Amino acid sequence: EIVLTQSPDFQSVTPKEKVTITCRASQSIGSSLHWYQQKPDQSPKLLIKYAYQSISGVPSRFSGSGSGTDFTLTINSLEAEDAATYYCHQSSSLPWTFGQGTKVEIK
Amino acid sequence: EVQLVQSGAEVKKPGESLKIACKDSGNSFTTYWIAWVRQMPGKGLEWMGIIHPAGSDVRYSPSFRGQATISADKSISTTYLQWRSLRVSDTGTYYCAKLDCTSPRCLIPHYFYMDVWGKGTTVTVSS
Repeated sequence: EIVLTQSPDFQSVTPKEKVTITCRASQSIGSSLHWYQQKPDQSPKLLIKYAYQSISGVPSRFSGSGSGTDFTLTINSLEAEDAATYYCHQSSSLPWTFGQGTKVEIK
Repeated sequence: EVQLVQSGAEVKKPGESLKIACKDSGNSFTTYWIAWVRQMPGKGLEWMGIIHPAGSDVRYSPSFRGQATISADKSISTTYLQWRSLRVSDTGTYYCAKLDCTSPRCLIPHYFYMDVWGKGTTVTVSS
């Protein structure tokens, strides 16, 4: 089973700051890595697919990078509505796995 | 546009059976895979399995195989998650999600992602 480890687990950030969340895979997964945002009491929402590809309707301040084992989700100029937990997910091989999540709080 | 409508919250006792549903309101039910994901209270997301409603091909996470059953009824565009005997540890919110793949390497289960999610069904198991 491929283990995804996110860091940090929690981040408290002021609006307009830049946020960087990393996701490390226990073995190479190519670019089969996707990011989701889950706001309190809501279902997850797809943010980024294939490590860096944008999703229609998602603000351009969200971007992704990386390949192999190391991936990054960046939120440029954080807005209050971005308070959420962010998860990475790999679909390189079964069983699919998620990272443990990174909670982003707005100061 | 695909919209996944999940059945309502359930409160059950240990040992009881349960079947929750995820209905597709669109017209392409048999052309895409559906995933089930568990979220225990205050915890992260866990992938349970995927199903292709047309052929009922099902792939399970080893953590959930034998614990719950995924099925589908394509005549009513609905997928199901069911338990024969619930445990307190089954308490959580269960999401269904539609899969998509835009990579040239698409071959289930590789390279798929979850692009449309249901609102979730909360299951509470308590004596």
